[in-house]
Amino acid sequence: NAGVTQTPKFRVLKTGQSMTLLCAQDMNHEYMYWYRQDPGMGLRLIHYSVGEGTTAKGEVPDGYNVSRLKKQNFLLGLESAAPSQTSVYFCASSLEGYLRELFFGEGSRLTVL
Amino acid sequence: AQSVTQLGSHVSVSEGALVLLRCNYSSSVPPYLFWYVQYPNQGLQLLLKYTTGATLVKGINGFEAEFKKSETSFHLTKPSAHMSDAAEYFCAVSSPNNNDMRFGAGTRLTVKP
Repeated sequence: NAGVTQTPKFRVLKTGQSMTLLCAQDMNHEYMYWYRQDPGMGLRLIHYSVGEGTTAKGEVPDGYNVSRLKKQNFLLGLESAAPSQTSVYFCASSLEGYLRELFFGEGSRLTVL
Repeated sequence: AQSVTQLGSHVSVSEGALVLLRCNYSSSVPPYLFWYVQYPNQGLQLLLKYTTGATLVKGINGFEAEFKKSETSFHLTKPSAHMSDAAEYFCAVSSPNNNDMRFGAGTRLTVKP
């Protein structure tokens, strides 16, 4: 009963390096989301997707790119990491957008030095 | 734009005491309102939600919340706190046809024995 799986769970990068976070869900959900969580700021939406092949910007999209080539996967990329991108990243999915429950992964902690 | 304000970043109660976590929202359209809980090193889980209909909503683990339009509030309550309720709680707002859910900054609940 996997649900939403994020990899990697921890990563340390140097400024300027690139990386990709992978989110996989096995619930056949149409909607997928990437959030970042920072102390005192709650969760902020980075990008989201309403179906395979579609992506859209959220509240804080700058410095990130995403792709949804397969329905079950949603990738978050950092092309040139900055210390301001140090955060915990959460992927979530839902059947029909926010009307339905969001299912979250366990998070990926990223540190940019 | 929609937003959520959670009053009190930290709340401490004794085991068996009433739990009250406050949430006020701002929305120009009828809102969907949610409470999520996050246990240490885990993703968020849905506690309860209000979309339409009855304004008193019951969720998991004995929690409930009441939508009060006149007060733009959606406070979370539980009559008797249990040690296992210690976690961080997030209030969130969305609306029909809106792909952007806004989360509050979170309230960390501590339960003292």
